[in-house]
Amino acid sequence: SQQGEEDPQALSIQEGENATMNCSYKTSINNLQWYRQNSGRGLVHLILIRSNEREKHSGRLRVTLDTSKKSSSLLITASRAADTASYFCATPTVKGYSTLTFGKGTMLLVSP
Amino acid sequence: KAGVTQTPRYLIKTRGQQVTLSCSPISGHRSVSWYQQTPGQGLQFLFEYFSETQRNKGNFPGRFSGRQFSNSRSEMNVSTLELGDSALYLCASSSSGIDNEQFFGPGTRLTVL
Repeated sequence: SQQGEEDPQALSIQEGENATMNCSYKTSINNLQWYRQNSGRGLVHLILIRSNEREKHSGRLRVTLDTSKKSSSLLITASRAADTASYFCATPTVKGYSTLTFGKGTMLLVSP
Repeated sequence: KAGVTQTPRYLIKTRGQQVTLSCSPISGHRSVSWYQQTPGQGLQFLFEYFSETQRNKGNFPGRFSGRQFSNSRSEMNVSTLELGDSALYLCASSSSGIDNEQFFGPGTRLTVL
């Protein structure tokens, strides 16, 4: 079963625009992670935010976490064509361990 | 450090056959997890091995099994293949295995005919 559910399922924007993806989850968590996957390849870890953090930045990425609403958002600023990929949020399958339960993902298309 | 490697990258099998996939984690990582990715079900956790012991298991039938060797390399085996087993199988490693990011390999694309 899916723990995280991303919204929207697909997003199409122009280069230079910002992209925002949302994720909702069901159970209490220690952390929430975001991953990127380029067309049928392995996943690349983007950022991990712990349950006691509200916001975290990494380069052009900004992640927020609202544990009261069981939701997170990923903002990519000044998008580039190279950001075209699927983005997944993931939460620990078993609290305290690293195995993950993934959402269905948001497919982002950034057009030049 | 070298990344997570998976072999083979592509595999074509027929129904009823069995298959073994291999994963070499990042040096020093003791936790190896396996995931199945399909268009319909998305990414689903299969099992995790830590120090040669299965620590967590997802909701998959017994046809799916795995093991981990003393050098942390891991294999997963699928017996009596079904058409629905066609998927991208991803392996991920992490250091302590607790609340850490996972590093994924490129995956093995399995096609069952």
